[in-house]
Parts: sequence; structure tokens; C-alpha cells
Amino acid sequence: AQSVSQHNHHVILSEAASLELGCNYSYGGTVNLFWYVQYPGQHLQLLLKYFSGDPLVKGIKGFEAEFIKSKFSFNLRKPSVQWSDTAEYFCAVKYNFNKFYFGSGTKLNVKP
Amino acid sequence: DVKVTQSSRYLVKRTGEKVFLECVQDMDHENMFWYRQDPGLGLRLIYFSYDVKMKEKGDIPEGYSVSREKKERFSLILESASTNQTSMYLCASSWGLRTGELFFGEGSRLTVL
Repeated sequence: AQSVSQHNHHVILSEAASLELGCNYSYGGTVNLFWYVQYPGQHLQLLLKYFSGDPLVKGIKGFEAEFIKSKFSFNLRKPSVQWSDTAEYFCAVKYNFNKFYFGSGTKLNVKP
Repeated sequence: DVKVTQSSRYLVKRTGEKVFLECVQDMDHENMFWYRQDPGLGLRLIYFSYDVKMKEKGDIPEGYSVSREKKERFSLILESASTNQTSMYLCASSWGLRTGELFFGEGSRLTVL
């Protein structure tokens, strides 16, 4: 079975610190890549997505992610986090047709 | 905006009861999904449907069934609830087979006593 790995389960940062969350997947074929965010008490929302083209993808709220095919990675970055970024972040990979696989999630806690 | 509505935010059921979780989407999406979300395990796919009356098993279908009689509605059924089915259940929908991201509902937190 395909797998998606998020190595950081819980990250604590101070405001204005830089963020990088790792995501690796196991499938070697064509994939679509996503990062979702779940703010406390809210539903999962799309942060950004990669389908093709420029491997550096920009999303909402200043987030970006870079697809590195040779490393099977799609890491999420933000240069300067805010307290409002406190949430759980999920990496997802879509394989053939509609098989979406999710990582186990990373809880980000930003201290004011 | 796409809206995916799950009928119950919180449910408490007893072991052996039959449980229905309903999901409705308002954007004419072809595909609908049921996931369960557990701490440390992320989201795991239970079932999905790419058309009315069509369904495919996901990674953890045991103990669950689904129904899609209308395009906008996708129901998850627990025939005989067990305590290990206590979880957050998420419904999602997407447009088309090869494109599009998932749009999620707010979730249904089920507790089985």
C-alpha cells in the first residue's frame, strides 16, 4: 500500500519563526500533492496543491511548498508564522484516479 | 463556495446499535468519500463513490457499508456499532476523476459505549 509520512508530529514555534514541515510519499508514479490545514474546531481546508508545472507552489496565508520528485517529498514552508497558524497540518497524495492518502498530521503550536 | 454538510456533529450510541451518518454536498460533485480520523493515524479511507449507486472499498471498510442513491448524498452505515468505531468521521467530495481536491464536511464525532 502507498504511504505518506509526516515526520514531525508536534512542532512548537514562537511567532515570527520560520516553519518547515516534512512530507514524503512512497509512490513512484504520477501524483498530485496537497497540504490541508485543520484549525481547532473547524473542518479541513485546502492550503495548497500541486498538479503539474512549477514545483514551487504558493498557497493561502503565505504558505508555500516545494515538490522534489527525486526525493518523493512535498515540504510545507512559511517564512514567519503567526499565532493564528496554530493548527494541525496534513499532507495528502492522490494516486491513480481518486485514491487520496493522508499523512498522520503535524500539530503546530505557535506561542505568542 | 462548496458546502459539504454532515447531519450530526456528535452522536453517542451503544454497542450493537445501527448507526447512519449522512452527508450532503451542494456542488454537483461526482465523487464522495468517507474517512475516519484518529489521533496519530491521520485520515483513513473507508469507502468512496464515483457515481450514483457506485461504491469502492477504501483501506478500512470492515464493519461499514455505504449508500449513494442520489448524487448529492452519501451515507455511511455501521450495521452493528462497536467501541473500536468510536472516532471522528469525515465526509468529503471532489469534482471529476482525475482533477480536483477534496472538500470536507465538519465531521461527525461518534462515541460508541
